[in-house]
Amino acid sequence: GAGVSQSPSNKVTEKGKDVELRCDPISGHTALYWYRQSLGQGLEFLIYFQGNSAPDKSGLPSDRFSAERTGGSVSTLTIQRTQQEDSAVYLCASSLGGAGRRNTEAFFGQGTRLTVV
Amino acid sequence: KQEVTQIPAALSVPEGENLVLNCSFTDSAIYNLQWFRQDPGKGLTSLLLIQSSQREQTSGRLNASLDKSSGRSTLYIAASQPGDSATYLCALSRPRAAGNKLTFGGGTRVLVKP
Repeated sequence: GAGVSQSPSNKVTEKGKDVELRCDPISGHTALYWYRQSLGQGLEFLIYFQGNSAPDKSGLPSDRFSAERTGGSVSTLTIQRTQQEDSAVYLCASSLGGAGRRNTEAFFGQGTRLTVV
Repeated sequence: KQEVTQIPAALSVPEGENLVLNCSFTDSAIYNLQWFRQDPGKGLTSLLLIQSSQREQTSGRLNASLDKSSGRSTLYIAASQPGDSATYLCALSRPRAAGNKLTFGGGTRVLVKP
């Protein structure tokens, strides 16, 4: 597509429920990233995909968080048993390539605003 | 650990004045530095990317410089307009890190008054 697309744009869920957030990267971009933006923490890295594999999951805050990517394209971030502290904007970004490419400009989606009540 | 700081956190200027936004970082071993703009409730829009071997990049009214030795980057916006009001974020990637995951500064919120 023309840009990075994320859905839903807004999600309100009850504490304890599971949620799935979707990211559709720019066509041809092999690298995909998830970030979280919250009031007190700024923008923080969650996970990086190169193709369908995730060589860096170091930013996932707990085992309630998981992500997958299929067909080298769409990615889903799943949060199980949501807690109020999970409330944040979840941003997805994609770029042409991963390690070894110096000119790998990141392009971001509009984000999913998650509110856990 | 790389730390990225943007000071001030907020800035208000009259229309027409030049904007100078600062970004400082603690580890000079960077890969790329990227400046973004974020409008309220929106995602990030990439403005400029500077590779570590470059000193500056320009796009229209925007100019970004990079001085690795002093750990600083500056984003200049000439002849500011009310439409430039937004939050500006700088972000760095490090060499040998898997992919090019970004470490972000806290941002500078800019208001350009008509």
